[in-house]
Amino acid sequence: IAGITQAPTSQILAAGRRMTLRCTQDMRHNAMYWYRQDLGLGLRLIHYSNTAGTTGKGEVPDGYSVSRANTDDFPLTLASAVPSQTSVYFCASSDSGSAGNEQFFGPGTRLTVL
Amino acid sequence: GEDVEQSLFLSVREGDSSVINCTYTDSSSTYLYWYKQEPGAGLQLLTYIFSNMDMKQDQRLTVLLNKKDKHLSLRIADTQTGDSAIYFCAVPRNNQGGKLIFGQGTELSVKP
Repeated sequence: IAGITQAPTSQILAAGRRMTLRCTQDMRHNAMYWYRQDLGLGLRLIHYSNTAGTTGKGEVPDGYSVSRANTDDFPLTLASAVPSQTSVYFCASSDSGSAGNEQFFGPGTRLTVL
Repeated sequence: GEDVEQSLFLSVREGDSSVINCTYTDSSSTYLYWYKQEPGAGLQLLTYIFSNMDMKQDQRLTVLLNKKDKHLSLRIADTQTGDSAIYFCAVPRNNQGGKLIFGQGTELSVKP
């Protein structure tokens, strides 16, 4: 593994189902982030984690949860998916949660909720 | 609230210069970033400028910062078809360290 990986690459999901998007980084970065990308809206922060064991809410956290049990992994869970959660989801990481640190992005997960 | 605005589309001819503009509302931003997203991929950091600078040049890229007007621009000289991508302006959230606010993204189309 080099950098950040996300799985699955894409998924079609029935409304009401539970789904976990996986994100793993091998750069030993302390901070990790989940964004959703929607046309005309850019990227919006869902949740973040400044270090293992801590998480925080971003701009659009409702309907999503995260955990950060270790440095490398930062899964995003949709407990009961709704069509408005159809989007492309990007995981990112940075060396620290401070300003001035480059964020490295994964390739994204395209999620469709029907 | 904090906001970052970009126009959605820009079309240029190969060899011309491209200028992508961005305005922001948070005046405390220390670093301002430009990220590039190629089709089907994640974002990659293209360049950044520190808030005490007016200009930064890196090969074909020139970043201009007007702090008074809260305006950031990215100029790409001699634009090539490989520059076709979506370009995002991003600034740190006020007093929230590394968390970024992204603009909507400008889709640059380069025609041969």
